[in-house]
Amino acid sequence: AQTVTQSQPEMSVQEAETVTLSCTYDTSENNYYLFWYKQPPSRQMILVIRQEAYKQQNATENRFSVNFQKAAKSFSLKISDSQLGDTAMYFCAFMKLPYGGATNKLIFGTGTLLAVQP
Amino acid sequence: DGGITQSPKYLFRKEGQNVTLSCEQNLNHDAMYWYRQDPGQGLRLIYYSQIVNDFQKGDIAEGYSVSREKKESFPLTVTSAQKNPTAFYLCASSLRTGLGPAEAFFGQGTRLTVV
Repeated sequence: AQTVTQSQPEMSVQEAETVTLSCTYDTSENNYYLFWYKQPPSRQMILVIRQEAYKQQNATENRFSVNFQKAAKSFSLKISDSQLGDTAMYFCAFMKLPYGGATNKLIFGTGTLLAVQP
Repeated sequence: DGGITQSPKYLFRKEGQNVTLSCEQNLNHDAMYWYRQDPGQGLRLIYYSQIVNDFQKGDIAEGYSVSREKKESFPLTVTSAQKNPTAFYLCASSLRTGLGPAEAFFGQGTRLTVV
C-alpha cells in the first residue's frame, strides 16, 4: 500500500523569503502522479502543482516549484517570495497510474501548516 | 461557472439519526470522491465512484453509504452506525483516468457536528 509522509506539522516563514515543505512517499509503482494541494482558512482545497513520475524535469508554477527525487521517493515544495496569502495547510498527495478498471485514488499526507509572518 | 457544490456548509445531527450530505458537480467529470478530514490525519477516502451506478469503498467506509444515480451527483449518507461522525467532509471530482489531467477538484466542504 502507498503511504505519504509529511514530517513537518507546522512551519513559519517571513514574508518575501523562501520556504521548503518536505514530503516522502512509499510505493512499489513506477508510474504515478504527485500533487501539492493548499487549504487556506476557507478550507477550500486548491491544487498548487502536479508532477508526473515519468518526467525528470521538476514542475514549476510561478513562485511554486518542486524538487522531485524519484529514487529517494521525495517530493518537496519550494515557495519563493512568500506572501501572506500563502498562509495555509499544505497537503502532499500521491496517485498511482491505474491500469484498466482502477481509479484515480488520491492518498494524502497529514499536512503542514504554513504561517507567513509579516 | 463550473465547479463542485457541497451543501449544507454546516450540519448538526442528533445521535442515532442518519444524515445526507449533498455533492453536485457540473464539470462533466466521471469520477467522484468523498473524503473525511480530521485534525492531524489528513484526508481519508470514504467512497469513490468512476461511473454512474458504480462505486467502491475507500479506506474508512464503515458507517457510510453512497449512491451514484446521476453523473452530476454523489450524495453521502452518514448513518447511525458511524461511531464518530463529527468531522469535515470534502467531496471531489476528476476526469476518469486516461481521459485528461488527473488532479481532483474539491467542493468547499461540509462541517458535520453530532449533538
